Amino acid sequence: AQKITQTQPGMFVQEKEAVTLDCTYDTSDPSYGLFWYKQPSSGEMIFLIYQGSYDQQNATEGRYSLNFQKARKSANLVISASQLGDSAMYFCAMRELGYSTLTFGKGTMLLVSP
Amino acid sequence: DGGITQSPKYLFRKEGQNVTLSCEQNLNHDAMYWYRQDPGQGLRLIYYSQIVNDFQKGDIAEGYSVSREKKESFPLTVTSAQKNPTAFYLCASTESSGGYNTGELFFGEGSRLTVL
Repeated sequence: AQKITQTQPGMFVQEKEAVTLDCTYDTSDPSYGLFWYKQPSSGEMIFLIYQGSYDQQNATEGRYSLNFQKARKSANLVISASQLGDSAMYFCAMRELGYSTLTFGKGTMLLVSP
Repeated sequence: DGGITQSPKYLFRKEGQNVTLSCEQNLNHDAMYWYRQDPGQGLRLIYYSQIVNDFQKGDIAEGYSVSREKKESFPLTVTSAQKNPTAFYLCASTESSGGYNTGELFFGEGSRLTVL
């Protein structure tokens, strides 16, 4: 079974609008961390935001926020006021306590149009 | 500037040849990783190393080999035993504390291998 599921292969959004990229995860471990990365066409992986399973508040980093719903096991990325430069692949990932590795979802391609 | 350097960026090889991808980091990170990326597949873990002279297999280690002789370096060899070696390869590192990895992974810019 997949540990990280991103159900949207592609998303379109107009510039200046907000967009939500979905991510659900599967773990029985009470302690874990969730990560979002952006991958532009150049291929580099850019870390965006992190949410710990015990964090009381949803993480925010500038225009990025994470809508963390623990009971639903979802960690959706919200990008506010989209910009053309936001067009990229976006990956959700998880690290469980005691594991040294990150497990990635298959990604969502976001296209921002003028 | 601290970071991770992967080389070469692009590599073409004939089928049956071994090829080694370089990964060097100057972030003083203990843990290093190799991921493979194929279209529509996300990132899949090949090998990782928590400490010098030690490494573990990831989910798709068959046909690959690594070494960790120095903290800064974690080269990946794609051997002729790897059935479908054409892919984008990403090296990463992270801080480690008390044997547990903390924080995000820092990635190199990747190496694109094409086997003809």
